Amino acid sequence: GDSVTQMEGPVTLSEEAFLTINCTYTATGYPSLFWYVQYPGEGLQLLLKATKADDKGSNKGFEATYRKETTSFHLEKGSVQVSDSAVYFCALSDRTGGFKTIFGAGTRLFVKA
Amino acid sequence: NAGVTQTPKFQVLKTGQSMTLQCAQDMNHNSMYWYRQDPGMGLRLIYYSASEGTTDKGEVPNGYNVSRLNKREFSLRLESAAPSQTSVYFCASSEAGGVNTEAFFGQGTRLTVV
Repeated sequence: GDSVTQMEGPVTLSEEAFLTINCTYTATGYPSLFWYVQYPGEGLQLLLKATKADDKGSNKGFEATYRKETTSFHLEKGSVQVSDSAVYFCALSDRTGGFKTIFGAGTRLFVKA
Repeated sequence: NAGVTQTPKFQVLKTGQSMTLQCAQDMNHNSMYWYRQDPGMGLRLIYYSASEGTTDKGEVPNGYNVSRLNKREFSLRLESAAPSQTSVYFCASSEAGGVNTEAFFGQGTRLTVV
């Protein structure tokens, strides 16, 4: 079945550092890919998405490119802020999976001032 | 614009008690989901409903039942709560099909079974 694997955390960075959170997926079809963010005490909210190969999703300075050849969707940000501290989830949704959203385990990010 | 509303936000149950978690969405979405979130395990799908009148098991359905009451509401029932069901539960909804399958989440229910 479909699955998502993302790097384990926690990731601890200083403010203005470069962020990469790795995500790879397994899917039988051609999934849409997502990054969700969960701030403390809240539900998940969509950060960005890409729906086909080579698409780049971007939002709030975060970017991720849909790489079909490496089945990856790594999240990057050039300069993190303390307010970016949260848990980040990579996810996919696939027609052959009935469009259920499958999530990775999540990566907790701490940004120090 | 309420989005997805879950009740209650917090609940403590004794082992063997039953309860129902309520979820409602006002976005006219066809699909609704129940997930549980446990440390180090991300979100695991319990049950989902692709459309009104249909429900299907997800990854971890044992010990739970669901009801898709109408297009807006999707409830999750624990018939006989166990400590292993201590978790944070999230309801979500999405449009069915196509590329617009972004999921919208409620604020979560923190359930403790003692």
